[in-house]
Amino acid sequence: NAGVTQTPKFRVLKTGQSMTLLCAQDMNHEYMYWYRQDPGMGLRLIHYSVGEGTTAKGEVPDGYNVSRLKKQNFLLGLESAAPSQTSVYFCASKEQGDPTQHFGDGTRLSIL
Amino acid sequence: AQSVAQPEDQVKVAEGNPLTVKCTYSVSGNPYLFWYVQYPNRGLQFLLKYITGDNLVKGSYGFEAEFNKSQTSFHLKKPSALVSDSALYFCAVRDAGGYNKLIFGAGTRLAVHP
Repeated sequence: NAGVTQTPKFRVLKTGQSMTLLCAQDMNHEYMYWYRQDPGMGLRLIHYSVGEGTTAKGEVPDGYNVSRLKKQNFLLGLESAAPSQTSVYFCASKEQGDPTQHFGDGTRLSIL
Repeated sequence: AQSVAQPEDQVKVAEGNPLTVKCTYSVSGNPYLFWYVQYPNRGLQFLLKYITGDNLVKGSYGFEAEFNKSQTSFHLKKPSALVSDSALYFCAVRDAGGYNKLIFGAGTRLAVHP
């Protein structure tokens, strides 16, 4: 049971570089979410999707873009990375009718 | 404003003793409440949730939580702590604004010593 898989697990970027984080789920879930985790702040929602082809902004969307071209994949993009985006990024998914979100193991991103 | 508060950054207990990790919330309407646990270098694992019904909710690994509407609290408890319970615990509430977004507390680090 793969569940929610995030790639890569670790990455170091230089300021101004771009990259894409991939989240894949094999549970046929409708909803997918991207969070960032920073010390002492819990998890904050960046963007979310309620179905294939749809995306919406969360609490801290600035500097990020997302796409949901396929139901099983939710991509998080950083167009021009900044040191303030150094964080651990978590993807989650949930099925219609159940409020429980299922999380991946995270991507640890450092921006120098 | 909707929010979740975990008033303790860290909780320390001895193995075999009962543990409590506190959570209070503020949300409009009936709350959906959750507890997740995070082990080092891992994602969040679901422990339990309250949606409706019995105020005492039982979850994974022997954990339970008590919903108290008058005190707007949802404290996590376990009768007998294990060293392996040492981890970071997050309380969360469903955002009343829809789409099942979750609002998380800052987390409480539980340390169980032998």
